[in-house]
Amino acid sequence: AQSVAQPEDQVNVAEGNPLTVKCTYSVSGNPYLFWYVQYPNRGLQFLLKYITGDNLVKGSYGFEAEFNKSQTSFHLKKPSALVSDSALYFCAVRESHTNAGKSTFGDGTTLTVKP
Amino acid sequence: EAGVVQSPRYKIIEKKQPVAFWCNPISGHNTLYWYLQNLGQGPELLIRYENEEAVDDSQLPKDRFSAERLKGVDSTLKIQPAELGDSAVYLCASSPGDRGNEQYFGPGTRLTVT
Repeated sequence: AQSVAQPEDQVNVAEGNPLTVKCTYSVSGNPYLFWYVQYPNRGLQFLLKYITGDNLVKGSYGFEAEFNKSQTSFHLKKPSALVSDSALYFCAVRESHTNAGKSTFGDGTTLTVKP
Repeated sequence: EAGVVQSPRYKIIEKKQPVAFWCNPISGHNTLYWYLQNLGQGPELLIRYENEEAVDDSQLPKDRFSAERLKGVDSTLKIQPAELGDSAVYLCASSPGDRGNEQYFGPGTRLTVT
């Protein structure tokens, strides 16, 4: 069975500092990995994904994530945080070689960026 | 491009009453998902459709939950009868269908069962 762990319920950073939101996963084969962001009373919005190729992927709003197969991680990063980045972030994994197409989501990490 | 539309946005009902949620996916997206999201948790899949076929409903509590996607476009999720533990946000999402594609989520329906 596939699973996702987001070990930090909350991440606090100061505006202008770099941020990292951690994600580790478990799948039986090769993964498809996704990051989504959720603002209050809104649905999840796609940020970026890793399918294949370059381990460093870039996405919306200046976010990037690095796929590390040996550590089974896909941490979300941004070089300089903005107050407007404050939101709930979800990591998701899908096994690439089955027809199931089911995504498993982590429980989310609340990012707070303070001025 | 219009996003995923869900209605109603909020619903308050008494336990044992029925309730229905509606979702209209992004045009051309043949894959539709219904998720349940409890406070402080990530979305959990209830059912996934490929066109009008339910291809994964293993997590759908079939004794009280039902869903349909007639004509392979919009979809309805129903609960009958509702229980207190059904209070949650119900999210609908769609995607073009390939496993590598991201999902596009609607704003959700917040259900409160009293």
